[in-house]
Amino acid sequence: KAGVTQTPRYLIKTRGQQVTLSCSPISGHRSVSWYQQTPGQGLQFLFEYFSETQRNKGNFPGRFSGRQFSNSRSEMNVSTLELGDSALYLCASSLVSGRVETQYFGPGTRLLVL
Amino acid sequence: GQQVMQIPQYQHVQEGEDFTTYCNSSTTLSNIQWYKQRPGGHPVFLIQLVKSGEVKKQKRLTFQFGEAKKNSSLHITATQTTDVGTYFCAGVDGGAQKLVFGQGTRLTINP
Repeated sequence: KAGVTQTPRYLIKTRGQQVTLSCSPISGHRSVSWYQQTPGQGLQFLFEYFSETQRNKGNFPGRFSGRQFSNSRSEMNVSTLELGDSALYLCASSLVSGRVETQYFGPGTRLLVL
Repeated sequence: GQQVMQIPQYQHVQEGEDFTTYCNSSTTLSNIQWYKQRPGGHPVFLIQLVKSGEVKKQKRLTFQFGEAKKNSSLHITATQTTDVGTYFCAGVDGGAQKLVFGQGTRLTINP
């Protein structure tokens, strides 16, 4: 099976812009979670989607949003970018939700905000 | 909210030495997972522990889950250069059903 894919892999934006990141989970996986990874804060949970519904949400401002499509692909959007949003954004898929299963991570999208 | 603390933050060892990282949760966990992230890579699942006092081994790696299900450890015997990376524990908050990651322990090895 193909692994989790994320696009784009690298992105440079300026403050105030918005960005959309995409994640395609492993075939058959219906749960998609998003994480932000920074050197200072480690891996921070953003949100989880299952069957097109947001199941869990982390402690991030409303500028961070996401959605999931009927084919389980997910997108994450960040509006009004700030310098502090520079990070590696990781998507992870798992087979089920309701009970936390193994997370299969994608390679990530490295976002740099200038 | 639930917090998962991991120590040490960094560890540098000589190849062949042992290595241990510790994970502590502020709340009781339903289970704990361990991941490894190689430099420039993404986290890769290593193992999940569910039972109180559980011990699991993967070759030179030994994972333990505390009796109170609030702490865990990963021990590597006789490190090799392929062990380089950051090791994360991730606890499952039973109430919220989401993974909370520790800060990770970055292991570097002198060959």
